[in-house]
Amino acid sequence: NAGVTQTPKFQVLKTGQSMTLQCAQDMNHNSMYWYRQDPGMGLRLIYYSASEGTTDKGEVPNGYNVSRLNKREFSLRLESAAPSQTSVYFCASSEPDSRYTFGSGTRLTVV
Amino acid sequence: QQQVKQSPQSLIVQKGGISIINCAYENTAFDYFPWYQQFPGKGPALLIAIRPDVSEKKEGRFTISFNKSAKQFSLHIMDSQPGDSATYFCAASMLGTYKYIFGTGTRLKVLA
Repeated sequence: NAGVTQTPKFQVLKTGQSMTLQCAQDMNHNSMYWYRQDPGMGLRLIYYSASEGTTDKGEVPNGYNVSRLNKREFSLRLESAAPSQTSVYFCASSEPDSRYTFGSGTRLTVV
Repeated sequence: QQQVKQSPQSLIVQKGGISIINCAYENTAFDYFPWYQQFPGKGPALLIAIRPDVSEKKEGRFTISFNKSAKQFSLHIMDSQPGDSATYFCAASMLGTYKYIFGTGTRLKVLA
């Protein structure tokens, strides 16, 4: 089925470790996004990529970096993980003025 | 100005009842208002959306009511069913932009 695929689904990191969350979409969408979801905070935008070759900061970019590898793939990197980055991370893709399609999420715990 | 305020945070409704979730915004430039439904362990999925040129949109048991002058919109779930138990997010965006501003979510539980 067409959609957004995120890997891994679960991850436990120690404080200070680094990791990359992977996201790929097969709907030929131009725009891709990374959100984090925390209880009582809703979905907050970390970074987005309006089109291949461009990336921009969202609401909560500190501690993260992104790479739009090609039109299909958009990765999120934590260089030095902190407990405050414990969250569920969602990747999404869309066309402008169109619905978002979300992946199933990555549950990250930083201890 | 960029916030979308959503209430209540949680809601318990009896089967067959009406579930009502409210959202309010400040930025009058917003002109697209979707609602997303999220089941545990899944990503959010679009449920229904409205543009401000209409005051109401209905799809099956789900209705969005939109009050442009009050800058408020709400989701009504008629004949609520246990299968509707999920977290609901309202959102807002501006046409031609790429970013949604999401509300903080409402966890709905429908009792059998």
